[in-house]
Amino acid sequence: DAKTTQPNSMESNEEEPVHLPCNHSTISGTDYIHWYRQLPSQGPEYVIHGLTSNVNNRMASLAIAEDRKSSTLILHRATLRDAAVYYCILRTQGGSEKLVFGKGTKLTVNP
Amino acid sequence: DVKVTQSSRYLVKRTGEKVFLECVQDMDHENMFWYRQDPGLGLRLIYFSYDVKMKEKGDIPEGYSVSREKKERFSLILESASTNQTSMYLCASSLMGSEEAFFGQGTRLTVV
Repeated sequence: DAKTTQPNSMESNEEEPVHLPCNHSTISGTDYIHWYRQLPSQGPEYVIHGLTSNVNNRMASLAIAEDRKSSTLILHRATLRDAAVYYCILRTQGGSEKLVFGKGTKLTVNP
Repeated sequence: DVKVTQSSRYLVKRTGEKVFLECVQDMDHENMFWYRQDPGLGLRLIYFSYDVKMKEKGDIPEGYSVSREKKERFSLILESASTNQTSMYLCASSLMGSEEAFFGQGTRLTVV
């Protein structure tokens, strides 16, 4: 499985934008980039995914580098409820649908 | 709403006991997953099932087995529980080809 690398932790202030980076230098052409987050005492939840183009949804935006070797999850205005562990995952289209998580980035949001 | 239900939120078992962790999903998903989560180690995949009676090993299958006799139910079995299997266990499911997996609330298992 292709690997991803994320910082262990990041801090942000409430109502400021947050950029969570992910490196995936061994990504293949058929790998989709998925992001999940895990709020305290809960199971992970899906946030967003993309292949090549930048993506937006109600939760976040995903910016994908032109060479696809890195991506950034963008929370436009962090709230205290965004404090969570954020996981960047690669998933191969048409391959095994196993979801393999790394250690993720723990985001702290300061009031 | 998709629901993934794990049978227990908290469980305490003795060393050597056979332990069953049950997971049920109500959305006819083909894929089901079992993970364990430990501080500093993130979520680690134990087993994955992509259909009834079909399974794939994850990263840490040793000491565990699984059973998927019906599409909606995926059981994780600890044949002989050990203290190093004390952990949070999370079940998930997804539709084949779907981008999104849905997780249960987790079972915190303590083996004493």
